[in-house]
Amino acid sequence: QKEVEQNSGPLSVPEGAIASLNCTYSDRGSQSFFWYRQYSGKSPELIMFIYSNGDKEDGRFTAQLNKASQYVSLLIRDSQPSDSATYLCAVKATDSWGKLQFGAGTQVVVTP
Amino acid sequence: EAGVTQFPSHSVIEKGQTVTLRCDPISGHDNLYWYRRVMGKEIKFLLHFVKESKQDESGMPNNRFLAERTGGTYSTLKVQPAELEDSGVYFCASSVLDGSPPEAFFGQGTRLTVV
Repeated sequence: QKEVEQNSGPLSVPEGAIASLNCTYSDRGSQSFFWYRQYSGKSPELIMFIYSNGDKEDGRFTAQLNKASQYVSLLIRDSQPSDSATYLCAVKATDSWGKLQFGAGTQVVVTP
Repeated sequence: EAGVTQFPSHSVIEKGQTVTLRCDPISGHDNLYWYRRVMGKEIKFLLHFVKESKQDESGMPNNRFLAERTGGTYSTLKVQPAELEDSGVYFCASSVLDGSPPEAFFGQGTRLTVV
């Protein structure tokens, strides 16, 4: 079983719609969760982090965490063509200080 | 402020040769991480420096990989001798020591191709 799992996509979303990305993780003790956005050929860029159960909103992005279900999600509202990228879910490992475990990423394509 | 810088951006070498990748973290960032993404797979942790000390090297694949961080500034990752399966994108990331903010900033990566 992979430590962090994501649907690879591509997830095709019409402009203006909501994109919903899902991520599950295997380590029940995990406490810190991150969403990175990566454009082709560029570096991963942090867009959200969440530590507590529930929702966390930042602009058009909402991260949702459910530790009981070992599930974290990212919603992108009012999707724009510039949101087309690969979104990486990352979980801070409990057996190491600072090490991130990544999912394979979900490719999002926003169509005009 | 300069971000995390990696050199070279691309490297093509023959099997058996040696390659050295360099990472310059953001100034003041004591945490420095190396990660690798092999084609079609997820980004995988290689190792973690705190200043000049190796905090965790559990992700290093084998003893053909050697990482150093002299003086706690830039870091190098040497692969000697390179094998075909070493091909991939090598990312470096840095962050502040106290985790505030928690963000790890990534470089653009070095794409290594071993032929």
